[in-house]
Amino acid sequence: SAVISQKPSRDICQRGTSLTIQCQVDSQVTMMFWYRQQPGQSLTLIATANQGSEATYESGFVIDKFPISRPNLTFSTLTVSNMSPEDSSIYLCSVGASGTYEQYFGPGTRLTVT
Amino acid sequence: LAKTTQPISMDSYEGQEVNITCSHNNIATNDYITWYQQFPSQGPRFIIQGYKTKVTNEVASLFIPADRKSSTLSLPRVSLSDTAVYYCLVGLFSGGYNKLIFGAGTRLAVHP
Repeated sequence: SAVISQKPSRDICQRGTSLTIQCQVDSQVTMMFWYRQQPGQSLTLIATANQGSEATYESGFVIDKFPISRPNLTFSTLTVSNMSPEDSSIYLCSVGASGTYEQYFGPGTRLTVT
Repeated sequence: LAKTTQPISMDSYEGQEVNITCSHNNIATNDYITWYQQFPSQGPRFIIQGYKTKVTNEVASLFIPADRKSSTLSLPRVSLSDTAVYYCLVGLFSGGYNKLIFGAGTRLAVHP
């Protein structure tokens, strides 16, 4: 299994600002994923981050709003840019290991935009 | 990726067996079925995965009929700590780099 940490665990931000969320894994992984979960809702996949290449975004999510970095095999960041109250949500990263059907999720970052 | 349909919520009592059924009429030949559990303020956690018939692990059993258009997650003798949201996912997991598309999930409440 993989142990995943995220920073910050929570933050309150003003509209128009940006927040960068960090995801650290205790082992090297090829694929990392970023999800958003609004209060009481299911998870929505934002993008898939493969080390050494551009992230692949799902429909409804764009790089200008959610730029992602993946500098190495244990780390990734997601930036929520030009935030509005609608961006208030929990942001989770996860990793998948080749040859397994499991993904391991981080504890999430709870973002509130005022 | 096949769409899944689950009950929105279920209630049970400690010690009972809970069965959560997921419908996935458009499942493809190469799709696998996976279930995740999510507690409040935590990320989802893998429970079980299967392709057909029955799979059992230390946590749950997964029953998949021959037509694979549905699956049932069975939790034996639930306790209060099993109160969580349970997600059924269907997709092609070949190669292991799985893009998980979550449905609405089933909110299970276990009562004393």
